[in-house]
Amino acid sequence: QSALTQPPSASGSPGQSVTISCTGTSRDVGGSDFVSWYQQHPGKAPRLIIYEVTKRPSGVPDRFSGSKSGNTASLTVSGLQPQDEADYYCSSFAGINRVFGGGTKLTVL
Amino acid sequence: QITLKESGATLVKPTQTLTLTCTFSGFSLSTSGVSVSWIRQPPGKALEWLALIYWDDDKRYSPSLKTRLTITKDTSKNQVVLTMTNMDPVDTATYYCAHEPAHSSGLFDSWGQGTLVIVSS
Repeated sequence: QSALTQPPSASGSPGQSVTISCTGTSRDVGGSDFVSWYQQHPGKAPRLIIYEVTKRPSGVPDRFSGSKSGNTASLTVSGLQPQDEADYYCSSFAGINRVFGGGTKLTVL
Repeated sequence: QITLKESGATLVKPTQTLTLTCTFSGFSLSTSGVSVSWIRQPPGKALEWLALIYWDDDKRYSPSLKTRLTITKDTSKNQVVLTMTNMDPVDTATYYCAHEPAHSSGLFDSWGQGTLVIVSS
């Protein structure tokens, strides 16, 4: 299985919205309702922010939202805040295994 | 509250075997549907899923590393152990263990702090 494809970087100004894509295949993203997103600040462990494509764990602001179309999942961060600057990774169930994306560094300008 | 903590060698030589232990609390690996995964992250690079073990001892491995990995559990000690053979400098990474709730298929809701493993002679 290959890693899911994410853009290496994304950016936006405070208050703006940014969308990060995650492209896979019909064997993972396209064929699974189990797509999740993780936020990782430098030196920290990843934190789950979206699961099952669109659901948010308790404690995650509703500024974070997820969606999926075909083989591409997306994470949208609305109302960007300085603390949103971090690396973001998508993950998908892939048959019997799991696979991560290459990560996207989000910069808040 | 679920907690996980990784432990094991921090420096290994090329060709050696790495053994890492994940000690957890707040859940039981005898609960139906629950699993624990190992995930690694080379410095400055992306996350890579390595292996998982289910409550019923079923196991899954990354196809690219399958021949080098073994995952086991000790339910009584609340531990999951990962061994990786024939270590190489490219295996230098932070290794995480993570909890996957019952019947969630790829949802890592709790992570350990990670342990940095350096492979060098």
